[in-house]
Amino acid sequence: DQQVKQNSPSLSVQEGRISILNCDYTNSMFDYFLWYKKYPAEGPTFLISISSIKDKNEDGRFTVFLNKSAKHLSLHIVPSQPGDSAVYFCAASASNYQLIWGAGTKLIIKP
Amino acid sequence: DTGVSQDPRHKITKRGQNVTFRCDPISEHNRLYWYRQTLGQGPEFLTYFQNEAQLEKSRLLSDRFSAERPKGSFSTLEIQRTEQGDSAMYLCASSLVFSGNTIYFGEGSWLTVV
Repeated sequence: DQQVKQNSPSLSVQEGRISILNCDYTNSMFDYFLWYKKYPAEGPTFLISISSIKDKNEDGRFTVFLNKSAKHLSLHIVPSQPGDSAVYFCAASASNYQLIWGAGTKLIIKP
Repeated sequence: DTGVSQDPRHKITKRGQNVTFRCDPISEHNRLYWYRQTLGQGPEFLTYFQNEAQLEKSRLLSDRFSAERPKGSFSTLEIQRTEQGDSAMYLCASSLVFSGNTIYFGEGSWLTVV
């Protein structure tokens, strides 16, 4: 039972354009959502998070949007840069319990 | 560097041998987690500690796996009688209890069982 789904295994975006990564979840008890970025042979790096009391959180080029009614969140990267090429994971938790992870989306930024 | 530190970064071992990984968390973090990750998957939770107490173990963690955090600081993850299916990246992460569940990962330890 996949409670957190990232339906796009990969995404290719032109440098300078917007990258939009999507994540869907099924558990309405989730109240905290996170995005991590992972380069090959390294551990995931925390990017940005959002609590369920908000619908948007912004940090520099990264913005996360949360649509609770649709059980959907998205990560926007503007403008996309070559160093953004990595695998992006979304994760969710309920009441500070264990994080549940998506399978990841590989983002490729084309020059 | 005050991030999460893992050692060794890479380990190649023969099937049936024992291996041990070490993790040093961020110094003020009282929670420490072990995850396993294979290609194309998100991290799989194995176990976590709050201070020295092991509070949860995944059913993925067979009897061959054991983790310790004796003084509430560093932790070790031992895999006994390794099998080829144990080949994966083993990730350690740490957090503060009240951090909104944001956890910070180390660089991982790659295990290859041949």
